[in-house]
Amino acid sequence: GNSVTQMEGPVTLSEEAFLTINCTYTATGYPSLFWYVQYPGEGLQLLLKATKADDKGSNKGFEATYRKETTSFHLEKGSVQVSDSAVYFCALEGGYNKLIFGAGTRLAVHP
Amino acid sequence: EAQVTQNPRYLITVTGKKLTVTCSQNMNHEYMSWYRQDPGLGLRQIYYSMNVEVTDKGDVPEGYKVSRKEKRNFPLILESPSPNQTSLYFCASSLLGTGTNTEAFFGQGTRLTVV
Repeated sequence: GNSVTQMEGPVTLSEEAFLTINCTYTATGYPSLFWYVQYPGEGLQLLLKATKADDKGSNKGFEATYRKETTSFHLEKGSVQVSDSAVYFCALEGGYNKLIFGAGTRLAVHP
Repeated sequence: EAQVTQNPRYLITVTGKKLTVTCSQNMNHEYMSWYRQDPGLGLRQIYYSMNVEVTDKGDVPEGYKVSRKEKRNFPLILESPSPNQTSLYFCASSLLGTGTNTEAFFGQGTRLTVV
C-alpha cells in the first residue's frame, strides 16, 4: 500500500544553518507529493507541492524535488530562521483526495 | 477569509459520554475529512465525505461517526468515547479532484482527552 517515511526528529539547528528533512514514499503510480507545516498550536498549512516527476516545489525559501528514481521528496532550505521552528509533514495523495502522511519531523531553530 | 473552523479547541470528557466536534468550511469545498494526530504516527484519516450525504470510512473509523447534511458542515461524533480516543483531531476540506486540486485546508485542531 501507499506509505510515507520521514526522518525522525527532533532536528535542532542554529539560525542560518542548512536544513534537510528526508522523505521517501511507496506508492502505486506517481501521486502528487506535499510538504505541510504545523506551527505550534495551529493546524497544518500547505508549504509546497509537486504533481509529477522532476517537478520542484518551492515556497518561503523551502524547496523539494519529486524524484521518482529514488522515490524521494526531501525538503531543503539554505538558511533557516527561528520562525521556521515547527513540525513538518511529508504527504502523498492516496487517491480520491486522501492524504497519506509521514510521522512528522519536529524542527527547532535556535538563535 | 477562507477557513475551516473547528469547535471546541479543547475538550476533556469522561468515558462513555457522547460528544460532537463541529467542523465548518466557507470555501464551498466538496471534499471534507477528519484526521487524528498521534505521536509517531502522523495524521490518519478517520472518515471522509465527497459531497452532501456521501460519507465513507477512512483508515481508523472504529468508534466514530460522521454526517454531511449540508455542504459546509461535517461533524465528528463519538457515541461512547474511550481513553484510546484521546488525541488531536483535525478537520480538512478541499476541492474534489486530483493533483493540484488536492490542496487541503485544515482547521486549528481539537485536543480531546477522555478520562
